[in-house]
Amino acid sequence: KNQVEQSPQSLIILEGKNCTLQCNYTVSPFSNLRWYKQDTGRGPVSLTIMTFSENTKSNGRYTATLDADTKQSSLHITASQLSDSASYICVVGANDYKLSFGAGTTVTVRA
Amino acid sequence: NAGVTQTPKFQVLKTGQSMTLQCAQDMNHNSMYWYRQDPGMGLRLIYYSASEGTTDKGEVPNGYNVSRLNKREFSLRLESAAPSQTSVYFCASSDEQYFGPGTRLTVT
Repeated sequence: KNQVEQSPQSLIILEGKNCTLQCNYTVSPFSNLRWYKQDTGRGPVSLTIMTFSENTKSNGRYTATLDADTKQSSLHITASQLSDSASYICVVGANDYKLSFGAGTTVTVRA
Repeated sequence: NAGVTQTPKFQVLKTGQSMTLQCAQDMNHNSMYWYRQDPGMGLRLIYYSASEGTTDKGEVPNGYNVSRLNKREFSLRLESAAPSQTSVYFCASSDEQYFGPGTRLTVT
């Protein structure tokens, strides 16, 4: 069964600090890996999409990495801001266009 | 350009009642999707429509029906609501998954 596991479940960081979120997956065959940001009470918004051949992709202060050999990805947030408080969801796509969603990591940024 | 819109934003139903959740997109996307999001779980696909005139079951289709009315609109119907269908429902369009704001449904 295709699975996407995210860690930690939640974390609290101080404004201006960096943090890294982890995503491990067992989806096969692999097509792409996506990270979404979901603010409370809103729909998810895409941050990055990476294919098999890409091992890093940035979107402003967000940098995603992918190791397709170990089936791991990370999302690094640099110089966190209060607006980064949200749930971050890892999503893995298979070759048949089906998507498997992780449960998300809730990030709280405190002043 | 409103992106993906959903109505209603909130709804409370009694067990056995029926309702239709509406979704529309103005980005000319072919594919549209309905998901449900429950606490502690990833989004789960209910139904999807790869193009106008086609619909297919996702991971959790039981208790739901869908209609792809035209290229813009994709509706989700609950014929006889059950408490287990209490959830937040998201519509999305395109393989890149542009999500709507969600409908929060409570079934008592």
